[in-house]
Amino acid sequence: AQTVTQSQPEMSVQEAETVTLSCTYDTSESDYYLFWYKQPPSRQMILVIRQEAYKQQNATENRFSVNFQKAAKSFSLKISDSQLGDAAMYFCPARSEKLVFGKGTKLTVNP
Amino acid sequence: DGGITQSPKYLFRKEGQNVTLSCEQNLNHDAMYWYRQDPGQGLRLIYYSQIVNDFQKGDIAEGYSVSREKKESFPLTVTSAQKNPTAFYLCASRSDAGTGRRETQYFGPGTRLLVL
Repeated sequence: AQTVTQSQPEMSVQEAETVTLSCTYDTSESDYYLFWYKQPPSRQMILVIRQEAYKQQNATENRFSVNFQKAAKSFSLKISDSQLGDAAMYFCPARSEKLVFGKGTKLTVNP
Repeated sequence: DGGITQSPKYLFRKEGQNVTLSCEQNLNHDAMYWYRQDPGQGLRLIYYSQIVNDFQKGDIAEGYSVSREKKESFPLTVTSAQKNPTAFYLCASRSDAGTGRRETQYFGPGTRLLVL
């Protein structure tokens, strides 16, 4: 079965500092994407960043970057220069067609 | 503006009642999805549809039904057979252009369903 594990239920970071959220996944597919979505208190799911599994280069999007370790099936998200608006639940679903979600990590940003 | 709309924002269901949640998209996306989210949990797939007049069960389809008569619309009915319907429901859509099945899913704002 496809699974996604986010081992950190909660994380906190000081404003302007850097935080890394962990994610591991298990899939038998060879062609897939990995995503990080954020869900703020409004509960809207917002795409943060995505990574094609066949690409070795890690994706970056402004202050957000990933560390994709395909052999280890690890896909962590690094948020640099954290802002108050980054506070949210973060999910890292995986799969090629149907997304499989873990339980998420709640990120708190302290002023 | 292009996007995904869900209505209503809040919905109340009485015991034994069927209710329908609306999902509309004007992104010209081929695939649409319904997810359920319970407190402190991730999303679980209820149903999905890749083309008009076709849909497949997801992981938790029991007690739910869907239709896909138009490309832009994918309504979800929560039937009386769903014994624990209180949850947050999210609709998503995905284009089949580009990389196709691996394209990004985009989400609507969600509907909160409560049982009276």
